[in-house]
Amino acid sequence: IAGITQAPTSQILAAGRRMTLRCTQDMRHNAMYWYRQDLGLGLRLIHYSNTAGTTGKGEVPDGYSVSRANTDDFPLTLASAVPSQTSVYFCASSEEGSTEQFFGPGTRLTVL
Amino acid sequence: GQNIDQPTEMTATEGAIVQINCTYQTSGFNGLFWYQQHAGEAPTFLSYNVLDGLEEKGRFSSFLSRSKGYSYLLLKELQMKDSASYLCAVSPISNTGKLIFGQGTTLQVKP
Repeated sequence: IAGITQAPTSQILAAGRRMTLRCTQDMRHNAMYWYRQDLGLGLRLIHYSNTAGTTGKGEVPDGYSVSRANTDDFPLTLASAVPSQTSVYFCASSEEGSTEQFFGPGTRLTVL
Repeated sequence: GQNIDQPTEMTATEGAIVQINCTYQTSGFNGLFWYQQHAGEAPTFLSYNVLDGLEEKGRFSSFLSRSKGYSYLLLKELQMKDSASYLCAVSPISNTGKLIFGQGTTLQVKP
């Protein structure tokens, strides 16, 4: 692994289903982030984690949850997907004390 | 809070110079970032301004004026591969790790 990986690359999901988007980084960065990107709205922060064991809410956290059991992994869960969660999801990470963020390749999610 | 504005779209000619503006209203921030994002790909870091003035990095330069709430990204000697979206983002003073992004400017470079 080099950098940040996300899985799946894309997914079509029925409304009401539960879905977990995976994010793994091998750079030993303390901080990790989840964004969604929608046309005309840009990147919006969903949740973040400054270090393993801690998480915080971003601009648009409703309907999403995260966990940070270790430094490398930061999964994002949609407990009951709704069509408005159709978006491209990007995971990112940064070193402690640095604000330069490195982004994963993204997950394109469609909720029908 | 933060409010970040950028033009939605711009068009420029190969070999020319283009300036992409970003204005913001914020109660305070640590620094201002520019990211590049090609269609279907992840954003990649271009520049970071903390102090007022111009930061030059090859064909790309970024300028910040905190007193005017204004930044711009200057791209020189445009190449076709520069066709992409350019995202302006601020790092809020309340949390040094978080970034607040503008909606991005889609630049199309024509031959």
